[in-house]
Amino acid sequence: DTEVTQTPKHLVMGMTNKKSLKCEQHMGHRAMYWYKQKAKKPPELMFVYSYEKLSINESVPSRFSPECPNSSLLNLHLHALQPEDSALYLCASSQVLAHEQFFGPGTRLTVL
Amino acid sequence: AQRVTQPEKLLSVFKGAPVELKCNYSYSGSPELFWYVQYSRQRLQLLLRHISRESIKGFTADLNKGETSFHLKKPFAQEEDSAMYYCALSGRWRYGGATNKLIFGTGTLLAVQP
Repeated sequence: DTEVTQTPKHLVMGMTNKKSLKCEQHMGHRAMYWYKQKAKKPPELMFVYSYEKLSINESVPSRFSPECPNSSLLNLHLHALQPEDSALYLCASSQVLAHEQFFGPGTRLTVL
Repeated sequence: AQRVTQPEKLLSVFKGAPVELKCNYSYSGSPELFWYVQYSRQRLQLLLRHISRESIKGFTADLNKGETSFHLKKPFAQEEDSAMYYCALSGRWRYGGATNKLIFGTGTLLAVQP
């Protein structure tokens, strides 16, 4: 399996809801990433996990909570989001210290 | 400061015309440069990396360290090349341990007219 998969494809949530985004890869990559992408803008890095440990948090608000339960899975827990958090959330993976990243199709999130 | 600059938001050409998407970068070390492409409703995918020096879908890109540029070129554009193209730089950052980080340019939308 040479792809990064993300579920769900679309998510609509209210500002008081709690939801989670899921990312999975079976390429043996030990680095995984969350990005946020607004329309017609480049991806912005949010979090990096390396060997299942949080390596980078790009000053992301605490209403976004990442989790890496094992080397194949990456979750992003969402709570009390704002409408401006509506965006495409991308997951990526790579070999640790490798430069090439492989991206998932994204979850399109709408916060009402 | 580490930065990737793509000066053109939109590049519109006719089918069969040459294409050049510009990318300049600033980085204090030795980065790796990439071009990623995002077709409509598809995932972001790697098009080229500078160290491989290969041609993908007729596109080539040469790293010019003197000019800190990594422009993407194709001699004859096709309609299926229409997409958003992102130049990206990968460098090593230290946050306790070493981690690679991709920095993207703002992207250029290539529109190939029939």
